[in-house]
Amino acid sequence: QVQLVESGGGVVQPGRSLRLSCAASGFTFSTYGIHWVRQAPGKGLEWVAVISYDGSDKYYADSVKGRFTISRDNSKNTLYLQMNSLRAEDTAVYYCAKDRFREPTIDYWGQGTLVTVSS
Amino acid sequence: QSALTQPASVSGSPGQSITISCTGSSSDVGGYNYISWYQQHPGKAPKLMIYEVSNRPSGVSNRFSGSKSGTTASLTISGLQAEDEADYYCSSYTSSNTRVFGGGTKLTVL
Repeated sequence: QVQLVESGGGVVQPGRSLRLSCAASGFTFSTYGIHWVRQAPGKGLEWVAVISYDGSDKYYADSVKGRFTISRDNSKNTLYLQMNSLRAEDTAVYYCAKDRFREPTIDYWGQGTLVTVSS
Repeated sequence: QSALTQPASVSGSPGQSITISCTGSSSDVGGYNYISWYQQHPGKAPKLMIYEVSNRPSGVSNRFSGSKSGTTASLTISGLQAEDEADYYCSSYTSSNTRVFGGGTKLTVL
């Protein structure tokens, strides 16, 4: 079965960096687009970024463009999110989520990892 | 990248039907049929309930249905059950190759 397991969350000071990882299993990772979606405490879902199956295309929400970088290592079945210049408003649970095959529709989600930006 | 517009809350009694609306623009909801709906229970990850406007993934009850008219998509839940109480989010593909979510709707089963 599809499994997406996020890691790397924690408490970080404003202005610092953090890298999240998402380990995938149960499907052919290298053939699916993968996203990061976040949810601030008590708030709704906010789409963050997506990377194509081969890593050639990447798109970002305006709120993180220039600060966050999405990447993947298909040899390790792992997705990453490098987060720089973190702000208090980046505090959220970060989910990785996969698309349906060759379709722009998220069908499976991980359980999320909490990032808290605070001094 | 403005969020899609959903009502903050809806409610219904067991056995009744409710509909949640999701309004966007011609750049997202109105321009594509890649509209999906997610159910999220407290402390849990979202679960796909409807994709491509009106399709149900395997295992999702046929009490859940979706539709679209112009720039507004809708999720209807018939025969409400206690376990349907959750937050519901719509999502759309956009003309910028990004995705956008609605603000979420809290469903209360009275």
